[in-house]
Amino acid sequence: KAGVTQTPRYLIKTRGQQVTLSCSPISGHRSVSWYQQTPGQGLQFLFEYFSETQRNKGNFPGRFSGRQFSNSRSEMNVSTLELGDSALYLCASSRRGPSSTDTQYFGPGTRLTVL
Amino acid sequence: ELKVEQNPLFLSMQEGKNYTIYCNYSTTSDRLYWYRQDPGKSLESLFVLLSNGAVKQEGRLMASLDTKARLSTLHITAAVHDLSATYFCAVDMWQTDKLIFGTGTRLQVFP
Repeated sequence: KAGVTQTPRYLIKTRGQQVTLSCSPISGHRSVSWYQQTPGQGLQFLFEYFSETQRNKGNFPGRFSGRQFSNSRSEMNVSTLELGDSALYLCASSRRGPSSTDTQYFGPGTRLTVL
Repeated sequence: ELKVEQNPLFLSMQEGKNYTIYCNYSTTSDRLYWYRQDPGKSLESLFVLLSNGAVKQEGRLMASLDTKARLSTLHITAAVHDLSATYFCAVDMWQTDKLIFGTGTRLQVFP
């Protein structure tokens, strides 16, 4: 069974540019979440999507946005990049449902460096 | 606001020794998770704890949950070098996949 995949794995951008990261969940998983990991702030929740609807959003500025497609694949976009956006961006998927006892499975992450 | 605290932040221990990592959270939650992260890698799921008194064991790791005390522990028995990693606990908001992570405990096991 294939795991969560993320593309690209590494990305270098300059300040002011925008970036789009992609995540393909495990087959059958309809819930996708995004997290940002930095040495200073640790792991922070960005968004959660379920059946193409954003169900939760973390405390990030509006430059951070996301979406989910009908096949459960998800993208996140960061506009007007800042140096502080340099981080490892992790995507996770789960079978989330009312009676789900499943965990979230994390992808390998996209390492974004902003110069 | 849900907060999750882990201690210790750093743990250097000798092979063969036992130790416990503690995870406190500030409000009621559906479930508690433990993850492992190796340097430069993603998060690997270790345990999901769903109810008060839950205990799960895998190899040298055992996790438990006390929902009344809002406390989970990850106990390491007879540590080996391969357990060197950063361990995170996390709790989720009711019926969501929004995980709130602890600060992580960086474990180093030396001979």
